Order: sequence, then structure tokens, then C-alpha cells
Amino acid sequence: VVWMTQSPSFLSASPGDRVTITCRMSQDINNFLAWYQQKPGKAPELLIYAASTLQSGVPSRFTGSGSGTSFSLTISYLQSEDFATYYCQQYDSLPLTFGGGTTIEIK
Amino acid sequence: EVKLSESGGDLVQPGGSLRLSCAATGISLSVYDMAWVRQAPGKRLEWVSRVSGSGGSTDYADSVKGRFTVSRDNSKNTLYLQMSSLKAEDTAVYYCARVLTTFGGRGWFDPWGQGTLVAVSS
Repeated sequence: VVWMTQSPSFLSASPGDRVTITCRMSQDINNFLAWYQQKPGKAPELLIYAASTLQSGVPSRFTGSGSGTSFSLTISYLQSEDFATYYCQQYDSLPLTFGGGTTIEIK
Repeated sequence: EVKLSESGGDLVQPGGSLRLSCAATGISLSVYDMAWVRQAPGKRLEWVSRVSGSGGSTDYADSVKGRFTVSRDNSKNTLYLQMSSLKAEDTAVYYCARVLTTFGGRGWFDPWGQGTLVAVSS
């Protein structure tokens, strides 16, 4: 099982801020990593796959980076609609696993 | 537009059974691996199960193996999750999702359905 540690769990930020979320793996996952955004009461939505490939329709202020066991999601200029919870997910091996989530709150 | 719609969630007693359905529009499920992912209240997302496009290959999380069965009816373009011997810890919102797969059911999820709530309690 690939264990995933996502940090921070909570992040307080202001519109216009640049924020970075980190996801660390217990083993090398060959860049098989996705990022999702989830708003309260809604299903998760795909942002990024293959560690750095932006899903069609996702704003370019979202950037994924990293390799091996350490990955990051950066939001370059926070917009009001970005205040949500973000999850990373590895798909290198079964069982597919998710990070614990990062909730971005308005400061 | 690809849309997935789950149904079948309910309040059920421990030890009971339930069948969830996931109807797809805008895509033919037979082409894709499909998965069930759940989210217990205040908890992280948990992959539950996946089934291949043909239905011939399935995988399960250890937490549900032997109790849950995933299947699909491609003629109805519908995915199912038969859940039995339900436990309190199975309480969660259950989502179905298309797997955009690299190999062997391993992939990322897009899109997701809106979710259906399963509550296991006496």
C-alpha cells in the first residue's frame, strides 16, 4: 500500500495569495499522481493528472509539480472559487490511495 | 456531456445489504474501467472497487473484500455495487467515477457522480 502524507491539513489565505500544497509518498510512484478539488457537498473534480498535466478547462493558475515521492500543487493567485479542499491521489499501484486533504479557508 | 448519477443509498441496519447503481449518460461504460470511491464523514476519500470495461476483471479494497461485489450491465450503461454484511464503518457517501486508466484499473478519476449516502446504523 502506498501511504500518502498531505500537508498542510488546513491553510488560511487571502484572495490573490500564492499557496502550495505538498503530497509525500511512502514509495516512488512514477509520477502517477492526480489532484482534485472538492467543495462542500459536492463530488471531487479533477484538476491535474500525471503529476503536472492540467485537465481541460482548469485555469492555468493551478500548477502541479514534483517527481518520485514528493509532489506539489500550487495555486498562483487565489480566487474566491478556489477556497475548497484539495486531495492528491496515486495510481501507481492498487489499492489506489488518497492524501488526507488540504482545506483552504479565507483568512 | 458525460454524466454519472448514483442511486440506492439508504439507512440500513448492521449486517444488512444494499445495492447501489450508477447510470451513465454521454459515454458508453463498456469502453472504460469504472470505480467506486467512498468518503466517510470528515474522512479522506477511499477507493473501494473497480471493474474493467468488459466486466471481466475486478479489484477491491481489503476493507470490503468478500462483502462487496462490483458489476456492470453495459446494455443498460449502468454500474452496480452490491454491498452485504454492512458495518457501521461502511457509512459514507459513495461515488462512482470513470477511471482514465494507465493499466490494470490504475488511473485517475473523471468525472465523478454526485454521490449517494449509505448510513449503517441500528
